[in-house]
Amino acid sequence: GQQLNQSPQSMFIQEGEDVSMNCTSSSIFNTWLWYKQEPGEGPVLLIALYKAGELTSNGRLTAQFGITRKDSFLNISASIPSDVGIYFCAGQIQGSYKLIFGSGTRLLVRP
Amino acid sequence: GAVVSQHPSRVICKSGTSVKIECRSLDFQATTMFWYRQFPKKSLMLMATSNEGSKATYEQGVEKDKFLINHASLTLSTLTVTSAHPEDSSFYICSAILAHRSQETQYFGPGTRLLVL
Repeated sequence: GQQLNQSPQSMFIQEGEDVSMNCTSSSIFNTWLWYKQEPGEGPVLLIALYKAGELTSNGRLTAQFGITRKDSFLNISASIPSDVGIYFCAGQIQGSYKLIFGSGTRLLVRP
Repeated sequence: GAVVSQHPSRVICKSGTSVKIECRSLDFQATTMFWYRQFPKKSLMLMATSNEGSKATYEQGVEKDKFLINHASLTLSTLTVTSAHPEDSSFYICSAILAHRSQETQYFGPGTRLLVL
């Protein structure tokens, strides 16, 4: 079945630093989504990408849909303590509503 | 963004009882909703796809008689954990599809923490 490889598994950074995480797959996806989950909460949608090569920003967050449609990255610039959480990528194949989730990147920000 | 609610947010029950969890799309209609289960420090595991007006589609290994799903309206899906046992304790999360201009996006509820004693 489809699998998403998300890296890094965790990051512990200093406030103000930039962060980058990515997901790769052996399958082609129609849509890439990035979510953030905080403890005890459901995932919150950060950025949705629908076209290969698309680069989208949401405040300090920027994500890109890889041109091969098999990868995506998420960048967070000038991190702040409230960026702490688990970030999940998720891919959707054409013709299906199902999402394939990455294993998550746990982000810790040191004030 | 679209808002999805879940109720209750947490529930504690005795072994052998049944528990119903509600998932509502508050500001949009959703013909398709999903139910996930999440173990500590793990990613989300899809349990089933809930389709309005028809039977749910369960993922491999998920017992349909154990996890009853009803999607009776375009804004409400329910998951009933029947005869719950301690191993059913988990974080259950629903999501709903918002379709707009041929783009479908999944929005998640806040989750329900189930503890079976």
